[in-house]
Amino acid sequence: SQTIHQWPATLVQPVGSPLSLECTVEGTSNPNLYWYRQAAGRGLQLLFYSVGIGQISSEVPQNLSASRPQDRQFILSSKKLLLSDSGFYLCAWGLGEKLFFGSGTQLSVL
Amino acid sequence: GENVEQHPSTLSVQEGDSAVIKCTYSDSASNYFPWYKQELGKRPQLIIDIRSNVGEKKDQRIAVTLNKTAKHFSLHITETQPEDSAVYFCAASTSGGGADGLTFGKGTHLIIQP
Repeated sequence: SQTIHQWPATLVQPVGSPLSLECTVEGTSNPNLYWYRQAAGRGLQLLFYSVGIGQISSEVPQNLSASRPQDRQFILSSKKLLLSDSGFYLCAWGLGEKLFFGSGTQLSVL
Repeated sequence: GENVEQHPSTLSVQEGDSAVIKCTYSDSASNYFPWYKQELGKRPQLIIDIRSNVGEKKDQRIAVTLNKTAKHFSLHITETQPEDSAVYFCAASTSGGGADGLTFGKGTHLIIQP
């Protein structure tokens, strides 16, 4: 069966520091992969999605970037974090229109 | 683009009573409507979904209804139990393939009072 791993679970970073969140999927090949941000009272916002290695689509212009160096690996990055980057970040893989989420990373930028 | 409005933002019901969460969407081309449940500190999970060619779908104590004319859909939970306490998100999609076309509502915090 398919599983999705996301780490770290929590992260506290100072403003201006870099960021790297990693997500890996097991049990499926060439999955569609997604990064979402969840802010309090604001639902789930799609940040990036990828349909294959090296293919990244950005939904919202911002301080973040994504990369897919391997088929089942999806990375969310930032060169310099802003206070507004704080939030709960969720990786997901898609089976058609259905999403299967990772356990999330709570990021606090101080 | 698509806009999904979800109401109420918080809903408190007595254990055993029914709960109804409502969503409206703006794009008449939307054809897929899932509901996700997120328990405190956990990941969102798909609990039920409906496509535009169906008016109602049931799965044990939960059901979803769709009114394409009015562009709204609702989640119904009957005989609520403590484990139903969670945040529920509706979504609508205009995409024909992947999940990148999903637009989510802002969520409803459902509280089941003992």
